[in-house]
Amino acid sequence: AQKVTQAQTEISVVEKEDVTLDCVYETRDTTYYLFWYKQPPSGELVFLIRRNSFDEQNEISGRYSWNFQKSTSSFNFTITASQVVDSAVYFCALRTGTASKLTFGTGTRLQVTL
Amino acid sequence: SAVISQKPSRDICQRGTSLTIQCQVDSQVTMMFWYRQQPGQSLTLIATANQGSEATYESGFVIDKFPISRPNLTFSTLTVSNMSPEDSSIYLCSVWDRGGDTQYFGPGTRLTVL
Repeated sequence: AQKVTQAQTEISVVEKEDVTLDCVYETRDTTYYLFWYKQPPSGELVFLIRRNSFDEQNEISGRYSWNFQKSTSSFNFTITASQVVDSAVYFCALRTGTASKLTFGTGTRLQVTL
Repeated sequence: SAVISQKPSRDICQRGTSLTIQCQVDSQVTMMFWYRQQPGQSLTLIATANQGSEATYESGFVIDKFPISRPNLTFSTLTVSNMSPEDSSIYLCSVWDRGGDTQYFGPGTRLTVL
């Protein structure tokens, strides 16, 4: 069975602080895909990144970076110099093999204040 | 990517009534997915809608409560039947992009049942 754990329910930081959102996954499949989505207060789910199990290269996109480590089954997300607009719920998700559905973590609510 | 629209964006309904949510995609897709997100919770897959066949429901969801139609490759509807306050949620539809790499979500329908 697949499982995604986001142990941090809620994080509160002051603007310009760096923050890391943790994601730990479980699967027996050797081929799988990991995702991060952002859900702002409007409710829409915004795709941020996709990473497959054969690509452990870390990725940076502006203030966002992702650290994928198969050895610890983790796919953590760091926001550098956080901004108020980063306030949202962030979901980590897993797709295994040829499965068509995503398994979501419980989400981490990030609150960035001035 | 895929552009997905949903109607209505939000609604307030009375207990015992039914609401039909529409989902329109800007390209033809084989599978469309319906998720429910209860307040403060993660996303849970309700069913997968395939054109030309019956929808496939996840454990805990039944066709009588959540009938789904899929008349063509760009459109689907989800009906929430005989609603109770526990059905108050955001309902989201989603599709995989053409390459099957990334799942994109509609803006969601925010339902409140009184």
